[in-house]
Amino acid sequence: DAEITQSPRHKITETGRQVTLACHQTWNHNNMFWYRQDLGHGLRLIHYSYGVHDTNKGEVSDGYSVSRSNTEDLPLTLESAASSQTSVYFCASSDLAGDEQYFGPGTRLTVT
Amino acid sequence: GQNIDQPTEMTATEGAIVQINCTYQTSGFNGLFWYQQHAGEAPTFLSYNVLDGLEEKGRFSSFLSRSKGYSYLLLKELQMKDSASYLCAVRELSNSGYALNFGKGTSLLVTP
Repeated sequence: DAEITQSPRHKITETGRQVTLACHQTWNHNNMFWYRQDLGHGLRLIHYSYGVHDTNKGEVSDGYSVSRSNTEDLPLTLESAASSQTSVYFCASSDLAGDEQYFGPGTRLTVT
Repeated sequence: GQNIDQPTEMTATEGAIVQINCTYQTSGFNGLFWYQQHAGEAPTFLSYNVLDGLEEKGRFSSFLSRSKGYSYLLLKELQMKDSASYLCAVRELSNSGYALNFGKGTSLLVTP
């Protein structure tokens, strides 16, 4: 069965370190998205991609970057982790740009 | 940008009916989604409305009025497993493509 996976599921890192969160989908979807979810804010879009080599900034992109070298993967990099980036991160994908999105299980990141 | 408002919390009794409202303001409305999210899990797609009216899907129905910027999710014959957060998400079409903007979610508690 097709699926979307994220790794690691839990991560603790120190302020200033570079961290990369992986997202892998086997739906063969062109569109992939990264969100963060915090209490009191709901889900907020960080970056998204409509296809290989395409990336776009979302609402809260500062301090994050993504690259899309193939259809299946959209890794999210925190260039220099900050305590404000402690959050739960969800990756999602969709077939067409406007279709419903399928979410991965999430990564809980703690920056100390 | 846009504002999406939904109640923070609701409580209902097993077997009853509950209506979760969502109001929004947007400049490029292109559809409204409802997602369900159980604690510690990923959001899962429930329903989608792009035209005015009611969409029914088993025990769940969703209504949209574009002129009023209003939607609701109706859950019938409530079950304990329906205790979850319900996320209203508005799809907006802009020059940079589609964006899905989420409300903060409504936490529903179903009691015996």
